[in-house]
Amino acid sequence: DAGVIQSPRHEVTEMGQEVTLRCKPISGHNSLFWYRQTMMRGLELLIYFNNNVPIDDSGMPEDRFSAKMPNASFSTLKIQPSEPRDSAVYFCASSQTAFEAFFGQGTRLTVV
Amino acid sequence: RKEVEQDPGPFNVPEGATVAFNCTYSNSASQSFFWYRQDCRKEPKLLMSVYSSGNEDGRFTAQLNRASQYISLLIRDSKLSDSATYLCVVNIEGGTASKLTFGTGTRLQVTL
Repeated sequence: DAGVIQSPRHEVTEMGQEVTLRCKPISGHNSLFWYRQTMMRGLELLIYFNNNVPIDDSGMPEDRFSAKMPNASFSTLKIQPSEPRDSAVYFCASSQTAFEAFFGQGTRLTVV
Repeated sequence: RKEVEQDPGPFNVPEGATVAFNCTYSNSASQSFFWYRQDCRKEPKLLMSVYSSGNEDGRFTAQLNRASQYISLLIRDSKLSDSATYLCVVNIEGGTASKLTFGTGTRLQVTL
């Protein structure tokens, strides 16, 4: 298996633009997580899905952020409009419930 | 109070030293626990699970104290390659879903 695949690896965008991050979880995993990592706040859970259903989105910072999981093999995290303070590394991870979570390589987002 | 708290460090230790990290968690309903390792500019990866009876994997020993709600990681005979950030992870399970919450990590630097 190729592991969790995220795209793009790097994204530089201007303030106000829409940003879409993509994730393909490991086949057979039923949980998917979106995390954001910054030096100041560490690794923060934004939202997680179980069997494609959002379970907890309390970590989503504000309405500018949205996430979808239309099927078991794909998820997106969208920021619209983006702001400089959204600059961070965004990780997607997947797991079988209660077992090890496997992370993608992350998307490094810079909003200028 | 944060759900998972760790001393951010850095811990600077000479090669061969023994170093210990602690982590506390706030939710007594937490059911499983892990230590992850994250290298600079890489994704987190599972180092070891933490069992109630304590467990050892080579030079690494993990302990769980449910009464005091803390987890520890002991590294013996530190190697230069152990330099990384160590993340404490707590899993709260509800029904068929699980929520992995990460501490902000403790940075370890092993020197010659």
